[in-house]
Amino acid sequence: GQQVQQSPASLVLQEGENAELQCNFSTSLNSMQWFYQRPGGSLVSLFYNPSGTKHSGRLTSTTVIKERRSSLHISSSQTTDSGTYLCALTGNTGKLIFGLGTTLQVQP
Amino acid sequence: EAAVTQSPRNKVAVTGGKVTLSCNQTNNHNNMYWYRQDTGHGLRLIHYSYGAGSTEKGDIPDGYKASRPSQENFSLILELATPSQTSVYFCASGDARGGRLFFGHGTKLSVL
Repeated sequence: GQQVQQSPASLVLQEGENAELQCNFSTSLNSMQWFYQRPGGSLVSLFYNPSGTKHSGRLTSTTVIKERRSSLHISSSQTTDSGTYLCALTGNTGKLIFGLGTTLQVQP
Repeated sequence: EAAVTQSPRNKVAVTGGKVTLSCNQTNNHNNMYWYRQDTGHGLRLIHYSYGAGSTEKGDIPDGYKASRPSQENFSLILELATPSQTSVYFCASGDARGGRLFFGHGTKLSVL
């Protein structure tokens, strides 16, 4: 089965609303990363967060290893936040394993 | 900001033809990766390298070869392209195993 599961698969928000994206994993964790991808675009690294909480502007990433989960919180969403958010973890193999992503649409 | 450049950006190939996708990074990273991205499968690792002269098989290496002639360059080679290899291919570089990755803009490959 999928070692990295993201939820929800898709999300529609009104501008200004907050979003909470989840990433759950079933394998051991050495590191966790969050990426942002525009349709047809490249992946932009948002966070490298093996554990704990990190902040970047309106974004917050929290990884709790013992609960096998990581979350990405977007506050006061904007239309430019629309796109796909991907989490990826590195397990004992050293290779990065990606989730299928959460597609976010922020409406004006 | 780290720079990873892929070429070409778009490629149309014929079945049975040879395709080479190129990737160049100016980050001086030891590790480089090739992924393909398909709807329903997400990003899957094809080949990777831990340094010049080395290549390793990823999770879906069949039908692909890789070459790492220098620290900066990492190529993905399809000797006999098939329609099932139609996809978007991403190259990435990183400075450590499991470390932060930086991606190129992707190559959209269509095999007819």
